[in-house]
Amino acid sequence: DQQVKQNSPSLSVQEGRISILNCDYTNSMFDYFLWYKKYPAEGPTFLISISSIKDKNEDGRFTVFLNKSAKHLSLHIVPSQPGDSAVYFCAAITSGAGSYQLTFGKGTKLSVIP
Amino acid sequence: NAGVTQTPKFRILKIGQSMTLQCTQDMNHNYMYWYRQDPGMGLKLIYYSVGAGITDKGEVPNGYNVSRSTTEDFPLRLELAAPSQTSVYFCASSYSSGARGGGYTFGSGTRLTVV
Repeated sequence: DQQVKQNSPSLSVQEGRISILNCDYTNSMFDYFLWYKKYPAEGPTFLISISSIKDKNEDGRFTVFLNKSAKHLSLHIVPSQPGDSAVYFCAAITSGAGSYQLTFGKGTKLSVIP
Repeated sequence: NAGVTQTPKFRILKIGQSMTLQCTQDMNHNYMYWYRQDPGMGLKLIYYSVGAGITDKGEVPNGYNVSRSTTEDFPLRLELAAPSQTSVYFCASSYSSGARGGGYTFGSGTRLTVV
């Protein structure tokens, strides 16, 4: 049973346009969400995160939106650049003592076309 | 370069062979993790450690063992390799639990094929 779902395996976007990557979750105990970016033959790198007490977090060209009632989050990249081409993983965790396991989605491969 | 270092990068094993995947970090992180990523799938937690001498099972621990004798090192042992263990293995570390403070730092991975 997948608790974190990324239903789009791939996404193609023109350079300069907005990329929107989506993520849904089923576990209502999740209260912290992260996005990781992964290039081929490299490990994932942390991109941006959001706590469940917020509905938006922004860092430069990257913004994450959280809709708790819909159990949905999205990552917006504006403007998209060719260097953004990578696999993006959504991850979630329940905070608190003894909580160590990030649950990952399957990833969305973003291709930014020059 | 500071970070998480994994060796080897690639390995082919025969069924029934054993091997140890090495992982070391130089950031003085207490928390370390082993994940595997199968094709088209997300990362699944195998084992984790909250400090030297302390380890615990994650979601998919069967067929693996770990040890944590120092803060820096967290090796993953495969005792009897099986084709189902063909995967890419990632080691990660973090300063705090719960992935706050910037999340995990991952190594570049070990691609293991069992034939």
